[in-house]
Amino acid sequence: DIQMTQSPSSLSASVGDRVTITCRASQSISGFLNWYQQKPGKAPKLLIYGASSLQSGVPSRFSGSGSGTDFTLTISSLQPEDFATYYCQQSFTTPPITFGGGTKVEIK
Amino acid sequence: EVQLVESGGGLVQPGGSLRLSCVASGFTFSSYEMNWVRQAPGKGLDWLSYISSGGSSIDYADSVKGRFTISRDNAKNSLYLQVNSLRAEDTAVYYCARTLAVASLVGYYYGMDVWGQGTTVTVSS
Repeated sequence: DIQMTQSPSSLSASVGDRVTITCRASQSISGFLNWYQQKPGKAPKLLIYGASSLQSGVPSRFSGSGSGTDFTLTISSLQPEDFATYYCQQSFTTPPITFGGGTKVEIK
Repeated sequence: EVQLVESGGGLVQPGGSLRLSCVASGFTFSSYEMNWVRQAPGKGLDWLSYISSGGSSIDYADSVKGRFTISRDNAKNSLYLQVNSLRAEDTAVYYCARTLAVASLVGYYYGMDVWGQGTTVTVSS
């Protein structure tokens, strides 16, 4: 199975900050990487698929990059509604679909 | 409105069973592959099972293989997860999620673009 490792596991940031979250795959997954946002008590929301394609309706301050084993989710200017937990997920080799452990973005 | 609504969760004793349901609306359910994903309290996301649009192709996570059974009834716009031999570690919120498939030059990108609100399963004596 492909293991997905996110870093950091949590971070504190202020509104307006640029935030970067990293996801590393245990083997190459080409660009088959998705990012999700989850707020407390809510279902996850797909933000980015194919490593860098923005899902419909997602603000352009979110962007994704990377290929192979190393990927990045960037929030260019953190907004109050962006405080949440973010998960990466690989779809290169399934089953199983595997998620990273999550990165909690908290208010500084 | 595109929507998935789960039901069927509850409190069950170890070794017990439940049937989780997920009803779809606002889209052509029979055209989409579907998944079940769970989240234990305070933990991350854990993919459980996949079913193709027609139901002929099915996958399971090793952790639930032989205990959980996914199925669907396209005439009823419904997805199901039969969960048997429940253990304390199966306590979680269970989500159904629609598969997004986007064609690219290198193949299909798959994600989960529509999620239900979740149904809670608690396994305890």
